[in-house]
Amino acid sequence: QSALTQPASVSGSPGQSITISCTGTSSDVGSYNLVSWYQQHPGKAPKLMIYEGSKRPSGVSNRFSGSKSGNTASLTISGLQAEDEADYYCCSYAGSSTFVFGGGTKLTVL
Amino acid sequence: EVQLVETGGGLIQPGGSLRLSCAASGFTVSSNYMSWVRQAPGKGLEWVSVIYSGGSTYYADSVKGRFTISRDNSKNTLYLQMNSLRAEDTAVYYCARVVVVVPAAFIGWYFDLWGRGTLVTVSS
Repeated sequence: QSALTQPASVSGSPGQSITISCTGTSSDVGSYNLVSWYQQHPGKAPKLMIYEGSKRPSGVSNRFSGSKSGNTASLTISGLQAEDEADYYCCSYAGSSTFVFGGGTKLTVL
Repeated sequence: EVQLVETGGGLIQPGGSLRLSCAASGFTVSSNYMSWVRQAPGKGLEWVSVIYSGGSTYYADSVKGRFTISRDNSKNTLYLQMNSLRAEDTAVYYCARVVVVVPAAFIGWYFDLWGRGTLVTVSS
């Protein structure tokens, strides 16, 4: 149950696009199309942003999109806004009824 | 309103026990898969445990044999019994609802509703 690998930090200017990667293994990300992404503002609970790799829950901006290639999933945020500044976590089903999270990425909007 | 509210956190000595509760409103705990996720201070999220609607339970290796997830259907409440606590168990503990659309077809498997968390501090 090793954590998925995410960059510790990414940054971008308002209006720009950024991508956060999430690298796992053939036992988790590579085996299932079950990667989800969560946004967490300081002191708050995580919020679901993407599920099943690329689907957006109702109410989440279409500026957020997800994809996967092999053992790596990605979250792209387009048209960056100040309110997007937060920590982002990927999560994958890892088989045998277990889950694994990424280490988290701090997004800074410059 | 659909929500989850965790209680039961606090300061506990190493080796001690604590039971966390997660009261649900707006939906039925027993009809859903429910999970606990924790976050150590300044660290990332870590999955802890899940209970299926049918009652099966599963744990992360880091807590297996020490933690027990359960629920009380009459109270619509989820629990996490934590025994033999260690300093590394210090974290905010969140309960979360797990959406599983079709288990065998691997559709779903994500956390759509989270509580605000309760802080557990293990220290002498």
